[in-house]
Amino acid sequence: DIQMTQSPSTLSASVGDRVNITCRASQSISSWLAWYQQKPGKAPKVLIYQASSSKSGVPSRFSGSGSGTEFTLTISSLQPDDFVTYYCQQYNSYPWTFGQGTTVEIK
Amino acid sequence: QVQLQESGPGLVKPSQTLSLTCTVSGGSISSGSYYWSWIRQPAGKGLEWIGRIYTSGNTNYNPSLKSRVTISVDTSKNQFSLKMSSVTAADTAVYYCARALYFGELTPFGSWGQGTLVTVSS
Repeated sequence: DIQMTQSPSTLSASVGDRVNITCRASQSISSWLAWYQQKPGKAPKVLIYQASSSKSGVPSRFSGSGSGTEFTLTISSLQPDDFVTYYCQQYNSYPWTFGQGTTVEIK
Repeated sequence: QVQLQESGPGLVKPSQTLSLTCTVSGGSISSGSYYWSWIRQPAGKGLEWIGRIYTSGNTNYNPSLKSRVTISVDTSKNQFSLKMSSVTAADTAVYYCARALYFGELTPFGSWGQGTLVTVSS
């Protein structure tokens, strides 16, 4: 299985901050990576797919970059609604696997 | 806008079979070339992909669960289902059904059900 490792596990920030979440794959996954946002008690929602493509309707403050084994989710200016958990997921090879999650908390 | 809804028993006894159904509305499960998946999440933990089914009935499973899992589709009812045998407490989780974001083999999850909690306990 491809292991996905996110860092940090928890991130403390303030409204308006620019933050980066990193996801590393144990082997190359080309650009077959997605980012999800999960609010408490809710299903995840896809933000970014194919490493850098934004799903329609996702605020422009969310962007993704990277390829191969290292990827980044950037939130350019944190809004109150963004203090939740984020997951990366590879869909390059079976089984599809997720990172362990990064929780963005209010500093 | 497609919508998915999981249903099934919330409590299953150890060693028994967990059975869940995902009902799709807002579109036909057999239209298009989407994959339909099951994913689970133990309380306070991360996400685990269980497996998926194509509209043709072809399936892919997580090898860690493959020996215990069957995913099937009923196009007449616009549903797909999950059966997991020989469950233990480790199978206690919120179970989600999901549809692929777009057509094709390599695709993330675009639409999700709200999730259903399944507890394995005697």
